[in-house]
Amino acid sequence: ILNVEQSPQSLHVQEGDSTNFTCSFPSSNFYALHWYRWETAKSPEALFVMTLNGDEKKKGRISATLNTKEGYSYLYIKGSQPEDSATYLCAYPGSARQLTFGSGTQLTVLP
Amino acid sequence: DAGVTQSPTHLIKTRGQHVTLRCSPISGHKSVSWYQQVLGQGPQFIFQYYEKEERGRGNFPDRFSARQFPNYSSELNVNALLLGDSALYLCASSMAGELDTDTQYFGPGTRLTVL
Repeated sequence: ILNVEQSPQSLHVQEGDSTNFTCSFPSSNFYALHWYRWETAKSPEALFVMTLNGDEKKKGRISATLNTKEGYSYLYIKGSQPEDSATYLCAYPGSARQLTFGSGTQLTVLP
Repeated sequence: DAGVTQSPTHLIKTRGQHVTLRCSPISGHKSVSWYQQVLGQGPQFIFQYYEKEERGRGNFPDRFSARQFPNYSSELNVNALLLGDSALYLCASSMAGELDTDTQYFGPGTRLTVL
């Protein structure tokens, strides 16, 4: 069973604040690392699929970095807005090539 | 373009019954995966089908089964329902069968309640 950990479990920030959270995964035999955003009452939405050590991907105010050697990825949100409120999930395939999801970081952006 | 669709939206069953959940992938997508999500946890992988063949199976009992049809839609079947099967069941589709690197497109889920 793969150990995919996300921290913190939940986070409250003020509108305009920048924030970041972490996904940790096994550092051996890296395949890829996925990030998804899941807003309440909606479907999970893909943000990034990262495959290379040192990868940095960006989508608007959201960016992610990847360190496969130490087994972690950071997700950054610059200038958080209330519409960024969601649960952010990371998922790691592992050798079985089945996505194992972390428990998510629940972000609440207060106006 | 229509996204991934799932039916029904909600379902209430009693212990011991059987349930069938349905998923239609995005047009052109040949892979469908099923996930179970319980409150407070991330989605847990149940099955992947690609080109009508089972590509992967998660750690779920044999009461769970699935199939994919020639039009790439899929059904998830659960027999002898237990209270612990109460969860949100998500379907995701992707273009190819590479779960590790393909972006997964999720449907809205089916909320199953077992009484």
